[in-house]
Amino acid sequence: EPEVTQTPSHQVTQMGQEVILRCVPISNHLYFYWYRQILGQKVEFLVSFYNNEISEKSEIFDDQFSVERPDGSNFTLKIRSTKLEDSAMYFCASSGLGGQGETQYFGPGTRLLVL
Amino acid sequence: EDKVVQSPLSLVVHEGDTVTLNCSYEVTNFRSLLWYKQEKKAPTFLFMLTSSGIEKKSGRLSSILDKKELFSILNITATQTGDSAIYLCAVYQGGSEKLVFGKGTKLTVNP
Repeated sequence: EPEVTQTPSHQVTQMGQEVILRCVPISNHLYFYWYRQILGQKVEFLVSFYNNEISEKSEIFDDQFSVERPDGSNFTLKIRSTKLEDSAMYFCASSGLGGQGETQYFGPGTRLLVL
Repeated sequence: EDKVVQSPLSLVVHEGDTVTLNCSYEVTNFRSLLWYKQEKKAPTFLFMLTSSGIEKKSGRLSSILDKKELFSILNITATQTGDSAIYLCAVYQGGSEKLVFGKGTKLTVNP
């Protein structure tokens, strides 16, 4: 069964460093998403991406964040200058048609720890 | 502020018990509600509910939506230790692509 994959599974970085989290969405999907879950808190939406551009983003997704689809398979989240409060589990998701009511399928997550 | 509230936050049962997990929501322009099961890795999709009163069923799991009272329940009958997980409820609003999640219910099934 097709699944979303993410690398790395764990990432430890120093405050102020840049990190890139990678995702391979399900191959025929068109919409891609990033969510994060701070320990003990809810899963929160960061951004959605369609047709090579951001289609929606949350207040959390500020200028230190960016997303890219550098080739036909990968989808990346870059955090330019990490802060302690960026420590969280980051989930990538994808859906076939996106938008209102389409099921989003999640990857296993990357646990980011900023020291 | 839009919100999705799940209850209970945690639940411990014995194998064979039946459990009911609750999800209430207050969101503008509700579109659909989804249930996910989160074990150690990816949240895995269980159900999507759009219409009131229509039960979705998969094996020992079932779910129903009440759009008048703004809630959904997830039932698990004859629980097994493999059902131990966090169960997440999430809601789609019309005009938005994001899922709004509740905090989840942590279910522990003891042998």
